[in-house]
Amino acid sequence: QKEVEQDPGPLSVPEGAIVSLNCTYSNSAFQYFMWYRQYSRKGPELLMYTYSSGNKEDGRFTAQVDKSSKYISLFIRDSQPSDSATYLCAMGRGAQKLVFGQGTRLTINP
Amino acid sequence: GAVVSQHPSWVICKSGTSVKIECRSLDFQATTMFWYRQFPKQSLMLMATSNEGSKATYEQGVEKDKFLINHASLTLSTLTVTSAHPEDSSFYICSVPRGSQETQYFGPGTRLLVL
Repeated sequence: QKEVEQDPGPLSVPEGAIVSLNCTYSNSAFQYFMWYRQYSRKGPELLMYTYSSGNKEDGRFTAQVDKSSKYISLFIRDSQPSDSATYLCAMGRGAQKLVFGQGTRLTINP
Repeated sequence: GAVVSQHPSWVICKSGTSVKIECRSLDFQATTMFWYRQFPKQSLMLMATSNEGSKATYEQGVEKDKFLINHASLTLSTLTVTSAHPEDSSFYICSVPRGSQETQYFGPGTRLLVL
């Protein structure tokens, strides 16, 4: 079993839809949770960072962490074609090392 | 603006040659940098942790004699792929911890093609 599981998709939704992306994990020691966006042939870009459980909102993006269920989510409201990318969840337990999910390829159709 | 740069952005080389990739932290000093490899449609795999002033720490299965890492200063780490082979063709990305150091900022990546 992988430490972090993420559905690779692809996921295709119409413009304006709400997008839900998810990851599950098995290691209860993870305390830091991140979402990265990666455009084709580019390095990942940090979108959201959350410590421990709870919600965090930034513009159209909301990150949720449920440590009891070992489940994290990223919601994108009013999705735009420019949101089309691969979204990677990442987790850490200190000491800086991160474990990444496989990434979900998302396409927003105009 | 970018906080981490990489050079070159892409490189094509012949099998058996060595290739050096630079990673620079532009806005801040970094005693630690990370090197990842990403194959098409796959996630990032951590190769090694680059430590300024000491030896790099390699992940299991990564050959330290093939992937040489030098953390020359607090803003520069280099990855040298020695005697490159076609199976080394991949997207190599570095990252720099920032702030609380539980987040990482990534460079734009270097695409390596070995013929």
